[in-house]
Amino acid sequence: GNSVTQMEGPVTLSEEAFLTINCTYTATGYPSLFWYVQYPGEGLQLLLKATKADDKGSNKGFEATYRKETTSFHLEKGSVQVSDSAVYFCALTGGTSYGKLTFGQGTILTVHP
Amino acid sequence: GAVVSQHPSWVICKSGTSVKIECRSLDFQATTMFWYRQFPKQSLMLMATSNEGSKATYEQGVEKDKFLINHASLTLSTLTVTSAHPEDSSFYICSARERTGVWKQETQYFGPGTRLLVL
Repeated sequence: GNSVTQMEGPVTLSEEAFLTINCTYTATGYPSLFWYVQYPGEGLQLLLKATKADDKGSNKGFEATYRKETTSFHLEKGSVQVSDSAVYFCALTGGTSYGKLTFGQGTILTVHP
Repeated sequence: GAVVSQHPSWVICKSGTSVKIECRSLDFQATTMFWYRQFPKQSLMLMATSNEGSKATYEQGVEKDKFLINHASLTLSTLTVTSAHPEDSSFYICSARERTGVWKQETQYFGPGTRLLVL
């Protein structure tokens, strides 16, 4: 079946530091890949997505590239802000579970001033 | 666009009572809605998949008589927690998948969540 593995957190950074959160996946075929962000006490917000190999999703300074050869979808941001503090979830849909999202375990990011 | 609302955002109830949570897609039609449960500092656990006009499909281990799901229209799904007990206390999140006709382009949009506390 499908699975998503995220780098373990929590991740703590200073403001303006470079961010990378690793995400690798296992799925048959060509899944669609997503990053969602969850702020404290809230639901999930779609951050970015990619639906085919070599696609780059980007939003609010965050980027992730769909790498089929390494089955990865790492999230990056060049300069984080305090307001980026949240939980980040990597997810996929497709493969053996059409329509259902398979989530990683989430990575807590804390950015200090 | 692509906004999903949930109501209520907070609910406190006595043990043994039933609680209904509504999930609405405000500006798009949702072929499918999903209900998740999230425990503190954990990922989301899919409870059930709800398709408009048909019975919900429950994940293994989820009691369908305990968690009643109704998907009455393309914009509304409800989750009723029947005879709630303290162990049902949790954060419940719904999502709606926008119907576009191309499944790889369809994205799930999430509601803000409902925090349930059963006393």
